[in-house]
Amino acid sequence: SQQGEEDPQALSIQEGENATMNCSYKTSINNLQWYRQNSGRGLVHLILIRSNEREKHSGRLRVTLDTSKKSSSLLITASRAADTASYFCATDERGSYIPTFGRGTSLIVHP
Amino acid sequence: SQTIHQWPATLVQPVGSPLSLECTVEGTSNPNLYWYRQAAGRGLQLLFYSVGIGQISSEVPQNLSASRPQDRQFILSSKKLLLSDSGFYLCAWSRLGVLGATPYEQYFGPGTRLTVT
Repeated sequence: SQQGEEDPQALSIQEGENATMNCSYKTSINNLQWYRQNSGRGLVHLILIRSNEREKHSGRLRVTLDTSKKSSSLLITASRAADTASYFCATDERGSYIPTFGRGTSLIVHP
Repeated sequence: SQTIHQWPATLVQPVGSPLSLECTVEGTSNPNLYWYRQAAGRGLQLLFYSVGIGQISSEVPQNLSASRPQDRQFILSSKKLLLSDSGFYLCAWSRLGVLGATPYEQYFGPGTRLTVT
């Protein structure tokens, strides 16, 4: 079953703009992770945020987690053409540490 | 450093033929291993995971099977492929040796594109 769902499904922006993607989930979680996938490649881990954390930063990435709303957001600041990829959130429900992936947001950054 | 290999990169197989995809991990021991399938434009569907040699858990009933003959080797097989088996197959590993403890991120292989004709 799909736990996390990303929104929007597709996002198209200009280089230099910020990109925001959201992830909503249904049940209580232990952790939430964000991954990136370039076309035809494997996924690359970006950031993990635990259920007791509200915000994490990594370079140009900022992730927030709101457990009361069961949602998370991934913000990419000052986007670059190289950020073009699909972005997935993965959640692991309480009682299980197996991450479940959403369908992803396809981000296109135009140079 | 750790490396994960998958082969072949692409595969075209007729319906009813057997399948064997291999995944190996280097540079770590006792990894958790995972097989995922990704349909076009879709998320990842967990097929199998393994916490140790010979220990396989199946998430979705299907005509696929998995085996872990060695600590860092994970094999996905089928005796007779179906059209619906087409997709992008990804192998992944994580540092966690026993599920239930603090989780770690997953590291993915480059994937195998399988087309069943």
